[in-house]
Amino acid sequence: EVQLVESGGGLVQPGGSLRLSCAASGFTFSDSWMFWVRQAPGKGLEWVAFIKYDGGDKNYVDSVKGRFTISRDNTKNSLYLQMNSLRIEDTAIYYCVGGQGAVWGQGTTVTVSS
Amino acid sequence: DVVMTQSPLALPVTLGQPASLSCRSSQSLLSSDGNTYLHWFQQRPGQPPRRLISRVSNRDSGVPDRFSGTGSGTDFTLKISSVEAEDAATYYCMQGRHWPYTFGQGTKVEIK
Repeated sequence: EVQLVESGGGLVQPGGSLRLSCAASGFTFSDSWMFWVRQAPGKGLEWVAFIKYDGGDKNYVDSVKGRFTISRDNTKNSLYLQMNSLRIEDTAIYYCVGGQGAVWGQGTTVTVSS
Repeated sequence: DVVMTQSPLALPVTLGQPASLSCRSSQSLLSSDGNTYLHWFQQRPGQPPRRLISRVSNRDSGVPDRFSGTGSGTDFTLKISSVEAEDAATYYCMQGRHWPYTFGQGTKVEIK
């Protein structure tokens, strides 16, 4: 069964940090471009970051550039998102996504609040 | 960024009747590889999105054939041939041609 399972979300104060993880199974992770997508409460969907299958290319949406870092470990079938200098507007459900939306995790909730 | 504009934002539909959802992009989504990177997603409350259609018209595995996608360039349509109760959801179009990828604002399909 193809599966993505996120973890690492939680409540953090503005300016704080969190590291999200995503464990993949049931498909060839090392061949897959991977993404993080977020959805703020009651809002639409936003692509946050991508990483090429070999880690050789990455990019971010402008609102998180310089604060978030995407990475992967193909030996562990895992994807990560290091989030620093968090802002209230980063509050959202963060989804781990394979390909252009072919596979989604259930999401992990990040709440930035004082 | 590419702006995706969906219409209508809400669509009340009677069970068994067809539904048509529109999506327009501010730039062409046709790639030099010949593919058009326009996809459609369904999201039910409390669930992650599920991709229904990839590259304009290709149904994903397990998607009922009442869902179909058409279009080209910057103008796209998702059609449901005969709406069922389980189709009540928000539908998003999404472009995967230009980074950052972007979604439309969604069309909420409601059963009358």
